[in-house]
Amino acid sequence: AQKVTQAQTEISVVEKEDVTLDCVYETRDTTYYLFWYKQPPSGELVFLIRRNSFDEQNEISGRYSWNFQKSTSSFNFTITASQVVDSAVYFCALRPNNAGNMLTFGGGTRLMVKP
Amino acid sequence: EAGVAQSPRYKIIEKRQSVAFWCNPISGHATLYWYQQILGQGPKLLIQFQNNGVVDDSQLPKDRFSAERLKGVDSTLKIQPAKLEDSAVYLCASSLDGRAYEQFFGPGTRLTVL
Repeated sequence: AQKVTQAQTEISVVEKEDVTLDCVYETRDTTYYLFWYKQPPSGELVFLIRRNSFDEQNEISGRYSWNFQKSTSSFNFTITASQVVDSAVYFCALRPNNAGNMLTFGGGTRLMVKP
Repeated sequence: EAGVAQSPRYKIIEKRQSVAFWCNPISGHATLYWYQQILGQGPKLLIQFQNNGVVDDSQLPKDRFSAERLKGVDSTLKIQPAKLEDSAVYLCASSLDGRAYEQFFGPGTRLTVL
């Protein structure tokens, strides 16, 4: 069975602060994919990143960066210089390689960025 | 490119009534998914279609929920009869195929059961 835990249910920061969203996962599969999605108030889930379990390189995309550590089963997401528009619920998700395309989501972290 | 369309966006019904949701995936996407997202939780997969066949419906409460994708394009999800605990957002997503990694989500239908 797969499990994704996002221990931070809500985070509040002031604009321009850096913030890290934690994600810890459990799976017995040796190959899998990890994802981050953003859910703004409009409700639509927006894909941010996919990471293959073979690739532990960190990734940076603009103000976003991701730190994948297989040894600790973590896939953390950092927003640098946060902006009000970053306010949303962020979900981490796991898809084992042999599970079709079934995503298991964490409970989400609500990020509030105040001006 | 048009995204995943869902309707209605909001629905309020009383318990024991029936309700249906509609989803139109992105053109050319063979795989369609229905998720249930209860307030404060992550989405949970209810059913996955590949074209018009069911791939996975292990988490669909089949005593009251049903879904179909007759022509391999649009899909409907029905609840009959609804219970209070069915109050949630129902998200539809699609992907090119069952092995494609990125799922594209629609805006969801927010269901309130009174």
